[in-house]
Amino acid sequence: DQQVKQNSPSLSVQEGRISILNCDYTNSMFDYFLWYKKYPAEGPTFLISISSIKDKNEDGRFTVFLNKSAKHLSLHIVPSQPGDSAVYFCAASARTPLVFGKGTRLSVIA
Amino acid sequence: DAGVIQSPRHEVTEMGQEVTLRCKPISGHDYLFWYRQTMMRGLELLIYFNNNVPIDDSGMPEDRFSAKMPNASFSTLKIQPSEPRDSAVYFCASSLRHLQETQYFGPGTRLLVL
Repeated sequence: DQQVKQNSPSLSVQEGRISILNCDYTNSMFDYFLWYKKYPAEGPTFLISISSIKDKNEDGRFTVFLNKSAKHLSLHIVPSQPGDSAVYFCAASARTPLVFGKGTRLSVIA
Repeated sequence: DAGVIQSPRHEVTEMGQEVTLRCKPISGHDYLFWYRQTMMRGLELLIYFNNNVPIDDSGMPEDRFSAKMPNASFSTLKIQPSEPRDSAVYFCASSLRHLQETQYFGPGTRLLVL
């Protein structure tokens, strides 16, 4: 059973607009969440993280929001740029190895 | 630092052959992880090591898969015999001190078993 779910396999956004990528989890013990970005033929690279004691973390154009009651987190990218086109993975941990979602492919159209 | 290094980057082999994937983690990192990525299952953790000791291999799909870490700078993932369903991208990752820390991934090995 998938503990981390990214229900949208793909997303297309116009350059300059906001991209919102969503992630749901089922394990209430998860207390640390991360987003990774992956370009073709490369390994995933860390993007941003959030601890369960926070509900928001911001790093430049990237903001992650955590809603613990809904077991939901989201990644906002503002403004979106063509270079943001990649696959985004959500991951979670309960002081255990990371559990990854299946990823969402973001396409930013110029 | 050069980051996590994996070799080969691509491997094409025939069913029944032995395949060995190699990984050099970032120097000083205590944890090493092996993942497999497929369209159907996404990124799956196969096994991880802490200070060269295998801690959890529950993700290893079958006895055909084995992994070793003879020293802090080298690990192998071996498939013997290989099967077409093993075709996937295999990633190695390492992290510094804790399981929850950021993991740094290698570029992956794309394996195709014919």
